This record gives sequence, structure tokens and C-alpha cells, in this order.
Amino acid sequence: GAVVSQHPSRVICKSGTSVKIECRSLDFQATTMFWYRQFPKQSLMLMATSNEGSKATYEQGVEKDKFLINHASLTLSTLTVTSAHPEDSSFYICSARPRTNSYEQYFGPGTRLTVT
Amino acid sequence: GENVEQHPSTLSVQEGDSAVIKCTYSDSASNYFPWYKQELGKRPQLIIDIRSNVGEKKDQRIAVTLNKTAKHFSLHITETQPEDSAVYFCAASIRGNTPLVFGKGTRLSVIA
Repeated sequence: GAVVSQHPSRVICKSGTSVKIECRSLDFQATTMFWYRQFPKQSLMLMATSNEGSKATYEQGVEKDKFLINHASLTLSTLTVTSAHPEDSSFYICSARPRTNSYEQYFGPGTRLTVT
Repeated sequence: GENVEQHPSTLSVQEGDSAVIKCTYSDSASNYFPWYKQELGKRPQLIIDIRSNVGEKKDQRIAVTLNKTAKHFSLHITETQPEDSAVYFCAASIRGNTPLVFGKGTRLSVIA
């Protein structure tokens, strides 16, 4: 149980285009989902906290108009990188916190974004 | 907000030896402390966690200790094997909607 999927696993896009990444909790409901970014050989940096049915809370330094987050249901959150630039190339990982367990977070497999 | 410090950043041990990774946290309200193992290009995998109402937890070769007074917690891996080689992250959070705050990670190399 407690499986989180992400799609796509890898994406290459051209500078200036937008990319949408989906995060789904497959066998549980998640009132809260988190989006992290991880650069090579670095730790996971929280970008935003997404609560179902409400606006996401962004961490300091993360542009909310550039990284659009939608948490439309208890099993799906999306991250859209708008007007992508090469410096946005990174490993994006989502995690979901089950409704019934407020401690653990379950991570998706990540999405490798490359902006050319 | 919460700040988690992790040491060392790299650790090399001989196969069969023990490995210890230490973390400190700043927010006394934090009450959940998981440890994750991450292999290159993959998701972090939870290997063990501890809540603030206990001081130690063990699962086979892996153990975690927590000192709430000093605000630090440690991961202990005994009888290390080459497949233990990976990056390990500690984290801390407060139960509820608050996110995990991660340490910077420790790259563990187990030399056969």
C-alpha cells in the first residue's frame, strides 16, 4: 500500500515552453501533497505544500507564478513549470501524506526535467 | 522554522563495520524523525523512523536513537554491506500538515 506515482518520469522541453507533472496517490487519499526539487548531489528542497481544495503554500524564493500547483482532488496534484529555462532543469519529486496517518510521507519516483 | 543539520557529508566504511550518521534539529516542537535512503536517480525510501515519545528504535541492522533534550538523533547501521552504499537523509517534522525538513545528506560508501 501507500503508492505514489508521478508522470512523466523524464521530460525534455525547449526553453520558454511549459511542462506539467502529475503526482497521484494510487491507493490512499492525501489531503496534503508536497513538491520538492533536487539538484545533483544536493538535498531535497521543499518548493510548496499543496492542500486539496485550497491554494498552495510556497516556500520563500519559489515563484508561485512560475511553478503552478493544483491539488484538485484527494489523489492528484499537478505542478506546471511555466516558461521553463535551463536553470529549471532538475529532479522534481512529490510526496503525499495519507489522510489517516499524519506522520509519514510517501514519495513519488520523481521527474527528471531537462530544459534545452 | 525548522533547521536540520546532518553530519558527516561523506562516510566510507569497510564491509562489516558499523556506520553512524548524526543529525540535529532546531525546533523543539518537532516530533517525527524519519531516515531515508536514496539511490541515484530514485525516490527516497523510508528505512526507519522514530517519534518523540521513544528514545530508540531498531529494525534488524538499522537503529535510530533520539535525544530530545539535546535535539539530536542518529542512524546506526551495523554489519554494513556493499548494498548499503547510497545517500542517506535525515528529516524532521511536526505531525499534521507541516512538511518534512531534510538534512543535506550523507553519502555512505561501503567498501568490500
